[in-house]
Amino acid sequence: QVQLVESGGGVVQPGRSLRLSCAASGFTFSNYDMHWVRQAPGKGLEWVAIISHDGGNKYYADSVKGRFTISRDNSKNTLSLQMNSLRAEDTAVYYCAKDPGFQRSYNWFGPWGQGTLVTVSS
Amino acid sequence: DIQMTQSPSTLSASVGDRVTITCRASQSLSNWLAWYQQKAGKAPKLLIYKASSLESGVPSRFSGSGSGTEFTLTISSLQPDDFATYYCQQYESYPLTFGQGTKLEIK
Repeated sequence: QVQLVESGGGVVQPGRSLRLSCAASGFTFSNYDMHWVRQAPGKGLEWVAIISHDGGNKYYADSVKGRFTISRDNSKNTLSLQMNSLRAEDTAVYYCAKDPGFQRSYNWFGPWGQGTLVTVSS
Repeated sequence: DIQMTQSPSTLSASVGDRVTITCRASQSLSNWLAWYQQKAGKAPKLLIYKASSLESGVPSRFSGSGSGTEFTLTISSLQPDDFATYYCQQYESYPLTFGQGTKLEIK
């Protein structure tokens, strides 16, 4: 079955960087677009970014554009999110999620990982 | 950006009740809308996509309807496992956006 396991979260000071990873298994990773979605403590869901199955296309939420970079390594079945210039408002649980579309974006979210908490605080 | 507004924000109901949650979009989505269920401390779970298509494995008491700018999620007979927070999400255009959530509580 599909399994997504995020890692890399932690406490980081404002202005610093952090890299999240999502290890995928149970499906052919290279055939599916992938998303990052976040949730601030006690708040709702916010889509962060998408990367196409081949890494050729990426889209970002305005709130992270220019600071965050989504990437993937299809040889290692791993999705990443490089987060630079972190702000207090980036504090959230970050989820990776699989797009259901085969080699295309359907843009809803199939299985999700369990999430990893990022806390930006001095 | 497309704004998504859910109502109500909180809903109190009893086991066996029929409940409906509404989601309104700031512009037409056709039927590009999904619904998710989230329990405390857990990742969201997909329930409905394309406004009315039931995700595999989701109980048939869940149903979705609507098109354009107004959508509903209906639970026909509430079960104890259904008390959770529900979110709608539009995928008509980027950025993908969610409603603010509806918390379904036990009355």
